[in-house]
Amino acid sequence: DQQVKQNSPSLSVQEGRISILNCDYTNSMFDYFLWYKKYPAEGPTFLISISSIKDKNEDGRFTVFLNKSAKHLSLHIVPSQPGDSAVYFCAASEYSGYALNFGKGTSLLVTP
Amino acid sequence: DAGVIQSPRHEVTEMGQEVTLRCKPISGHNSLFWYRQTMMRGLELLIYFNNNVPIDDSGMPEDRFSAKMPNASFSTLKIQPSEPRDSAVYFCASSFGSSLPETQYFGPGTRLLVL
Repeated sequence: DQQVKQNSPSLSVQEGRISILNCDYTNSMFDYFLWYKKYPAEGPTFLISISSIKDKNEDGRFTVFLNKSAKHLSLHIVPSQPGDSAVYFCAASEYSGYALNFGKGTSLLVTP
Repeated sequence: DAGVIQSPRHEVTEMGQEVTLRCKPISGHNSLFWYRQTMMRGLELLIYFNNNVPIDDSGMPEDRFSAKMPNASFSTLKIQPSEPRDSAVYFCASSFGSSLPETQYFGPGTRLLVL
């Protein structure tokens, strides 16, 4: 059963606006979270991560928010650009572990 | 700097045939992971090697699947005999570090179709 869930299979956003991608998890032992981006015919590439001791991590246009009590994290992309169009995977692991548990991904389309 | 290299990129085979997927991790990385991506199950970890030693193979679906890492720069994932339900994209990933977790770097994947 999926321990990491991305309930929106797809999202369409206009260029320049904010993209918000959501992720929920069920395992309370998870304490390290990552977002990966994947273009067609390529492998996933690491985007940004956050540990459970933080509730926010920012890297340029990308910000990840973590709400531990709700077991929810989100990725904000501001402003969105057409090159951001890709599938975004949320992943989680226990800090002492190695296994990444992935969600099924959200396909983001940024339209001009 | 070369990333993770996988070969072949595409493989079409018939049911019952042996399939071997290959991976060259990033030089200097000491952990290697094999994942499988399907529509139904998403990305699943199949097996994890650390310093060429298999640490966790609990994700390997069944005895038809086997993986080896004879040295730090090469790993194989073998399916024998292959079945149509093995059709998926298989990714290899590598990472470096003694303290976990570490960012994993993925190869481009091998798209396998078993007819």
